Amino acid sequence: GQNIDQPTEMTATEGAIVQINCTYQTSGFNGLFWYQQHAGEAPTFLSYNVLDGLEEKGRFSSFLSRSKGYSYLLLKELQMKDSASYLCAVSRGSTLGRLYFGRGTQLTVWP
Amino acid sequence: KAGVTQTPRYLIKTRGQQVTLSCSPISGHRSVSWYQQTPGQGLQFLFEYFSETQRNKGNFPGRFSGRQFSNSRSEMNVSTLELGDSALYLCASSPGQGTTNEKLFFGSGTQLSVL
Repeated sequence: GQNIDQPTEMTATEGAIVQINCTYQTSGFNGLFWYQQHAGEAPTFLSYNVLDGLEEKGRFSSFLSRSKGYSYLLLKELQMKDSASYLCAVSRGSTLGRLYFGRGTQLTVWP
Repeated sequence: KAGVTQTPRYLIKTRGQQVTLSCSPISGHRSVSWYQQTPGQGLQFLFEYFSETQRNKGNFPGRFSGRQFSNSRSEMNVSTLELGDSALYLCASSPGQGTTNEKLFFGSGTQLSVL
């Protein structure tokens, strides 16, 4: 099976930086996605990493180490609207059209 | 372009009943997948369809079924509902072949409550 682990909850204050970690163990690993989901809303795509290294997109960055089975999502200059669940998801080369999700990290940003 | 549309938004059923949920993907998207989301388990994959064919199926009992029509719209059906089927059911579409590097576009889901 696939093991995808991420912390259940995290808290931070406005303006701070937070790093959400995700570790995975899976055969046939292809790439790793991060999604953001606000309460009662649809998950929305944040980033995709297939090669090792850091991908930066505005206030959000995502990092992948394939050899360590590890990724993180870095959120800078936190805003209240960043309070949401952050979902780590893995794609496998052998299973088209399917992502394997972690249980999500609920981030609360305090003023 | 309209997003992924799921209907109904909320549904209340009783044990033993059956339910059909509908999903209209983004125009031009051919791959449609379904996920069940619960607080304890996160998103669990149900099945995925591409060009009216089921390509992948998750580890759910046979009470969960689905289909895709020629216009890429999809439905999922749950028969003989159980209390544990209460969950948010999310549909997602992707633009191309549903390959492993394609991002998914999710609908807002159907919140099913089984009493």
